[in-house]
Amino acid sequence: GAGVSQSPSNKVTEKGKDVELRCDPISGHTALYWYRQSLGQGLEFLIYFQGNSAPDKSGLPSDRFSAERTGGSVSTLTIQRTQQEDSAVYLCASSLLGEADTQYFGPGTRLTVL
Amino acid sequence: DQQVKQNSPSLSVQEGRISILNCDYTNSMFDYFLWYKKYPAEGPTFLISISSIKDKNEDGRFTVFLNKSAKHLSLHIVPSQPGDSAVYFCAASGAGGSARQLTFGSGTQLTVLP
Repeated sequence: GAGVSQSPSNKVTEKGKDVELRCDPISGHTALYWYRQSLGQGLEFLIYFQGNSAPDKSGLPSDRFSAERTGGSVSTLTIQRTQQEDSAVYLCASSLLGEADTQYFGPGTRLTVL
Repeated sequence: DQQVKQNSPSLSVQEGRISILNCDYTNSMFDYFLWYKKYPAEGPTFLISISSIKDKNEDGRFTVFLNKSAKHLSLHIVPSQPGDSAVYFCAASGAGGSARQLTFGSGTQLTVLP
C-alpha cells in the first residue's frame, strides 16, 4: 500500500488481558516508530527501530510493553496485563533511513481497556 | 518537563484570513522541526518542515518560520480555508545518537469559520 497501515483500528479489552497491535510501514522505509496519544495529550514516543540496530526502547512506560519488528518490516506492539491507563490511540510511523526525519503516520489503533 | 510547547489549545480564524500557530521549545539540541495536521480518527499528516540552518520554509499556503535565538517557530496559513480546521502539532527532533524520535507539542485546534 501507499501509506502506513495499522490493525486493528479499534480494540476493546478487559483489564489484565494482553493485546497485540500491528503496524505495516511504507515499503522501503527502514525506520519505524511507535507513539501513543492519551486523551487530551500530545503524542508520546514509545519505541524506535532503525534497520538492524538494537531498538531504542527509552519511551516504553513499563515492562508490560514490548515491541518487535520482523524482517525489517512489520512491527508488533504488545501490551501485557493491560491497565485502564493504557487506553490511548497507538500510532505507528515510518521514515526513510537517512532522510531527515519526515515521519509518516498510520491511522492508529484506538485501545480501550475496560 | 515539556520540551515542546504549544501554549494555545485553540484558535479560531475567519476564512480567507491568516492563521498563525505558535510553538516554543527548550532543547537547544533540536535541529529539525515539523508541523503535522490531524483530523479526528486519523493519524497525523505531515505538513511542512524546517531545518535549523534555515529560518523560513514555504510550501503553497503554508510557511514555517524558525527563530533559533528565541527557540520559537510558527506556522502561517494564508489564506485560511474551512478544510484547514484540524489539530496542528508542532514536533522537533535532535542531533546526536541513534534515536530520531519526534517530541511533540500538545497541539492547537484550529477552526476556520466560513
